[in-house]
Amino acid sequence: DQQVKQNSPSLSVQEGRISILNCDYTNSMFDYFLWYKKYPAEGPTFLISISSIKDKNEDGRFTVFLNKSAKHLSLHIVPSQPGDSAVYFCAASEGSQGNLIFGKGTKLSVKP
Amino acid sequence: DAMVIQNPRYQVTQFGKPVTLSCSQTLNHNVMYWYQQKSSQAPKLLFHYYDKDFNNEADTPDNFQSRRPNTSFCFLDIRSPGLGDAAMYLCATSRAPGVGETQYFGPGTRLLVL
Repeated sequence: DQQVKQNSPSLSVQEGRISILNCDYTNSMFDYFLWYKKYPAEGPTFLISISSIKDKNEDGRFTVFLNKSAKHLSLHIVPSQPGDSAVYFCAASEGSQGNLIFGKGTKLSVKP
Repeated sequence: DAMVIQNPRYQVTQFGKPVTLSCSQTLNHNVMYWYQQKSSQAPKLLFHYYDKDFNNEADTPDNFQSRRPNTSFCFLDIRSPGLGDAAMYLCATSRAPGVGETQYFGPGTRLLVL
């Protein structure tokens, strides 16, 4: 059973607007959450992360929100740019090993 | 630039014919990981090396083996590939294991099994 779920396979947004990508998890022991971005023919690259002791982390146009009670996190991109078009993976990890459990990804298309 | 390199980018093998995928890194990271990603699925960790210590995930089939002869290189051996093993195989590295350590990924090798 999937422990990290990204229920929207795709999302289309107009340039300049906000993109909101969602992720749900089932394991309450997860204590670190990450977003990775993947362009075609490239490996995933780290985008932003958040520890379970926080509820928000911001880096430029990217903000991740964590709602532990709902076991939900989201990635906000404001303003969205065509170069943000990629597949976004949510990942979670637990404990000292820190092995990542990934979601299936959401393909974001930002239209000019 | 420091990076994670995977060769080849595409690998075709025959059903049952052993195949080896390779990964090298110039980051001098202690941990190397192998993930399998099937079409429209999440990347799934197969195993990882922390230095020379091999850590196998509980549900990784015995058909998959790995070798890490030195810090820079790590190999994924598939002893008898089946049609279900066709996937993208991603190699990643991190400075250390544990929460908060960023993993850096290579571009992947897409394996086709005929």
